[in-house]
Amino acid sequence: AQSVTQLGSHVSVSEGALVLLRCNYSSSVPPYLFWYVQYPNQGLQLLLKYTSAATLVKGINDFEAEFKKSETSFHLTKPSAHMSDAAEYFCAVRGLATNKLIFGTGTLLAVQP
Amino acid sequence: EAGVTQFPSHSVIEKGQTVTLRCDPISGHDNLYWYRRVMGKEIKFLLHFVKESKQDESGMPNNRFLAERTGGTYSTLKVQPAELEDSGVYFCASSLAGGRETQYFGPGTRLLVL
Repeated sequence: AQSVTQLGSHVSVSEGALVLLRCNYSSSVPPYLFWYVQYPNQGLQLLLKYTSAATLVKGINDFEAEFKKSETSFHLTKPSAHMSDAAEYFCAVRGLATNKLIFGTGTLLAVQP
Repeated sequence: EAGVTQFPSHSVIEKGQTVTLRCDPISGHDNLYWYRRVMGKEIKFLLHFVKESKQDESGMPNNRFLAERTGGTYSTLKVQPAELEDSGVYFCASSLAGGRETQYFGPGTRLLVL
């Protein structure tokens, strides 16, 4: 069965620092992987997705993620954090033979001034 | 273009009562999904409609939950009778036809069962 693990339920960074949110997946076939973000009092918004094309995927707001098959990872990074990046981030994998998304438990990102 | 909308945004009910949640997908989206996040846990899939047909309802927790999508437009999710463990945030998402399309999520309905 497919699964997603997000290491670190809470991450705190200083404004201007590198953001690194970790995601590892388990899948028997090449997966479709996603990062979604939920800002306070809003719905989930797609940041970026990997669909077996380029391994380095660029998303909105300068976020990017790199698919590493050897490490079964899809970590999310941003070179310089902004206060507006404070939100909860979810990594997800699409199910085999279905369209359903399987989510990790989420990482709450805090950005300190 | 309007996004996915959900109503109500919040609902507080007592155990044993009935609650109906509504989702309006993006116009033209054949696929509609329901997900749920129980406090402190991951977002979990409930079911998937393709137009008015249930494509996958493997995530529905029990027969107290009933989802419909009459006419292939909006969908409702009814919980009857509600139990304490049903509390959480219920998300709806929609996507265009096909399996590779992005799922666009609504803001969620926050349900609290007392």
